Amino acid sequence: AQKVTQAQTEISVVEKEDVTLDCVYETRDTTYYLFWYKQPPSGELVFLIRRNSFDEQNEISGRYSWNFQKSTSSFNFTITASQVVDSAVYFCALSEADNNDMRFGAGTRLTVKP
Amino acid sequence: DTGVSQDPRHKITKRGQNVTFRCDPISEHNRLYWYRQTLGQGPEFLTYFQNEAQLEKSRLLSDRFSAERPKGSFSTLEIQRTEQGDSAMYLCASSLGQGIRYEQYFGPGTRLTVT
Repeated sequence: AQKVTQAQTEISVVEKEDVTLDCVYETRDTTYYLFWYKQPPSGELVFLIRRNSFDEQNEISGRYSWNFQKSTSSFNFTITASQVVDSAVYFCALSEADNNDMRFGAGTRLTVKP
Repeated sequence: DTGVSQDPRHKITKRGQNVTFRCDPISEHNRLYWYRQTLGQGPEFLTYFQNEAQLEKSRLLSDRFSAERPKGSFSTLEIQRTEQGDSAMYLCASSLGQGIRYEQYFGPGTRLTVT
């Protein structure tokens, strides 16, 4: 069975601080996909990244970076030099190759204070 | 270019009433998904369509729920005899392609409140 755990319910940082959001997943499949979505106060989920299980290369996109480690079943998300506009709920999600749904974690609410 | 749209954005109904929500996906997307999100939780998969065919339904989708996607374009989600436990945000998403590896684009959701 697939499962995603985001142990951090809420995180609060001051602007310009770096922050890492943790994501731990469980799956029996060898082929799977991991995702991060952002849900700002407006409510609409915004896609951030997709990673497949065969690609462990870390990725950087501007102030965002992702660290995928199969050995620890983790797919952590780091925001460098956080900004107030980064305040949102962030969801990590997992999909197994033979399923057609995404299993979401409970989300981490990030608050960036000026 | 328009994204995924949902209508209505908010719905308040009394217990026992029927409600219907609509989702218009991104025009070239052939996959359409419905999710439910309760307060403080991540979205939970309900069902998905490949064009007009409903290919999978979650156990969460009780017999009071029905979804359609006539002609493979917009989709409707109907809840009959609503219960207070149905109060949630109902999210629609669409994707291009036939695999889950394609990212899903979400609509703004319909917030249902059952009184």
